[in-house]
Amino acid sequence: DGGITQSPKYLFRKEGQNVTLSCEQNLNHDAMYWYRQDPGQGLRLIYYSQIVNDFQKGDIAEGYSVSREKKESFPLTVTSAQKNPTAFYLCASSLLAGENDEQFFGPGTRLTVL
Amino acid sequence: AQSVTQLGSHVSVSEGALVLLRCNYSSSVPPYLFWYVQYPNQGLQLLLKYTSAATLVKGINGFEAEFKKSETSFHLTKPSAHMSDAAEYFCAVSPSTMNYGGSQGNLIFGKGTKLSVKP
Repeated sequence: DGGITQSPKYLFRKEGQNVTLSCEQNLNHDAMYWYRQDPGQGLRLIYYSQIVNDFQKGDIAEGYSVSREKKESFPLTVTSAQKNPTAFYLCASSLLAGENDEQFFGPGTRLTVL
Repeated sequence: AQSVTQLGSHVSVSEGALVLLRCNYSSSVPPYLFWYVQYPNQGLQLLLKYTSAATLVKGINGFEAEFKKSETSFHLTKPSAHMSDAAEYFCAVSPSTMNYGGSQGNLIFGKGTKLSVKP
């Protein structure tokens, strides 16, 4: 089955700790994205990558970091510099063949800072 | 800057009633438009997308949306609501790279509309 997997589903972090959220896709998609979702605010883009070893900041990149060493993988690190990290994090991917390509989403990771 | 506005953060309908979720976009060139659905604690699933082939777009689960350029709208409808339609719905636009200057493939999302269905 092709799709996007995110792990873990739930993650708890103490203040001051860095945590890494996993995102893997086997759709052979070029582009991958990380979004943050807070109640009533929709989805906000954190980082995106169109090709291996390259990525770009989205609208709310401060306090986050990413890497894209493999086409299939796009992990997100939430650093201690992120002041309010408790949120639902969604990973997505797309073919990038044209502007009408839809994004496919993973099931999400809910991060809670204790 | 391009944007998407969803009117009404919460919509409540009775089972069997018409569902109408509103979406307006701002764009100086015709964009590509999408509707996604999200069930609690899950990712987003594509309902339908507009790609300029036809103004009336049919999607999954009996939903459809009509692109109206004169109104810059892409409202989502379903003739008869079912309990299983209760979820949050997001409208999104893929702006033309000519105007956005940004990355092909990026989407701009509305803030979402939560649909409740009463028995």
